[in-house]
Amino acid sequence: QKEVEQNSGPLSVPEGAIASLNCTYSDRGSQSFFWYRQYSGKSPELIMFIYSNGDKEDGRFTAQLNKASQYVSLLIRDSQPSDSATYLCAVRGGGYNKLIFGAGTRLAVHP
Amino acid sequence: KAGVTQTPRYLIKTRGQQVTLSCSPISGHRSVSWYQQTPGQGLQFLFEYFSETQRNKGNFPGRFSGRQFSNSRSEMNVSTLELGDSALYLCASSLNFGAPGEQFFGPGTRLTVL
Repeated sequence: QKEVEQNSGPLSVPEGAIASLNCTYSDRGSQSFFWYRQYSGKSPELIMFIYSNGDKEDGRFTAQLNKASQYVSLLIRDSQPSDSATYLCAVRGGGYNKLIFGAGTRLAVHP
Repeated sequence: KAGVTQTPRYLIKTRGQQVTLSCSPISGHRSVSWYQQTPGQGLQFLFEYFSETQRNKGNFPGRFSGRQFSNSRSEMNVSTLELGDSALYLCASSLNFGAPGEQFFGPGTRLTVL
């Protein structure tokens, strides 16, 4: 079992719709959760992070964390073609553990 | 504030050679992590440095090594290059070591081994 799992996609959504990206992790002691966006040929860009159970909203983005289910998600409202990218979920265990990345979900927003 | 910088941006080497890549973190950031990204394997953790000491290490052979200087700048070295080492090498910096540990990536060094 991989430490951080994501559906590779592509996830295709129409412009203006809500895109829902999911991630599960295996280390129950994980404490920090991050979402990165990576455009083709570019480096990953941090868009959201969450530490506590529940929802965290930032503009069109909402991160949701459920530690009991070991599940973290990213919702993108009013999806735009410019949101088309690969979204990487990253998880850090407690204390001084390294950051582990999932393989990423490719999102395609079509006009 | 300037972001993470990596040099060189592109590199072409032949099998058996060695290479050194450089990373300057965001000003004030003291932790530097290195990753290898390939289409097949995704983003693989190499190592993490803080206060000039390697704090975490990924599952890579000993041909991959790194170091961090007192000004937090970091270098990684790959010796005896293999074709499979062709990848995008990414450096990320964070303020301190450990959780929560938001990391910010540099533009990467694209290494091609012929």
